Amino acid sequence: KQEVTQIPAALSVPEGENLVLNCSFTDSAIYNLQWFRQDPGKGLTSLLLIQSSQREQTSGRLNASLDKSSGRSTLYIAASQPGDSATYLCAVLLHPNSGGYQKVTFGTGTKLQVIP
Amino acid sequence: EAQVTQNPRYLITVTGKKLTVTCSQNMNHEYMSWYRQDPGLGLRQIYYSMNVEVTDKGDVPEGYKVSRKEKRNFPLILESPSPNQTSLYFCASSPRLAGVETQYFGPGTRLLVL
Repeated sequence: KQEVTQIPAALSVPEGENLVLNCSFTDSAIYNLQWFRQDPGKGLTSLLLIQSSQREQTSGRLNASLDKSSGRSTLYIAASQPGDSATYLCAVLLHPNSGGYQKVTFGTGTKLQVIP
Repeated sequence: EAQVTQNPRYLITVTGKKLTVTCSQNMNHEYMSWYRQDPGLGLRQIYYSMNVEVTDKGDVPEGYKVSRKEKRNFPLILESPSPNQTSLYFCASSPRLAGVETQYFGPGTRLLVL
């Protein structure tokens, strides 16, 4: 069964700092991996989606990387801002051949606080 | 505006009283899914649907039912709610899951079962 872990569970950094969030998964037979942001009391907003054949994706100050062989993904946030404060979640979709097609497994998230 | 809506947003009920949480999307998406989110456990998939009349279990389907009679709607039914179903529930939709298309999430329904 796929397990997805995010460490640390919480992170506090001063404004302007570059930071890295980590996501680990146990089954490397994934189809894609997605990073989401969740603000308190709200739903999830997609940030980046990486296909299994890709190594990284970039959007503005965000860069997500994927290393399938080691079961790891990182989300890099450059020049952090107080508005980046939120919980960040990663989610993996298993490959069809794994028998878990269409099943999505989420990590437990990293709660980020950017201090002005 | 493209969106996923859920109703109600907040619900307090008692054990055993049947309830339905509605989910609707206006993007003509084929794939829809229900998740529950609990502290320390993250989001866990309850049920998903690949299209009308096609549904399948996720990781935690016990105590829940779903139906997909129309493409836009995917209600979650709790026939006999129990306190361990107290949680934050999210509905999501996607054009199709296995591709570059992301999932769009509803705002969530916070359920308390007494």
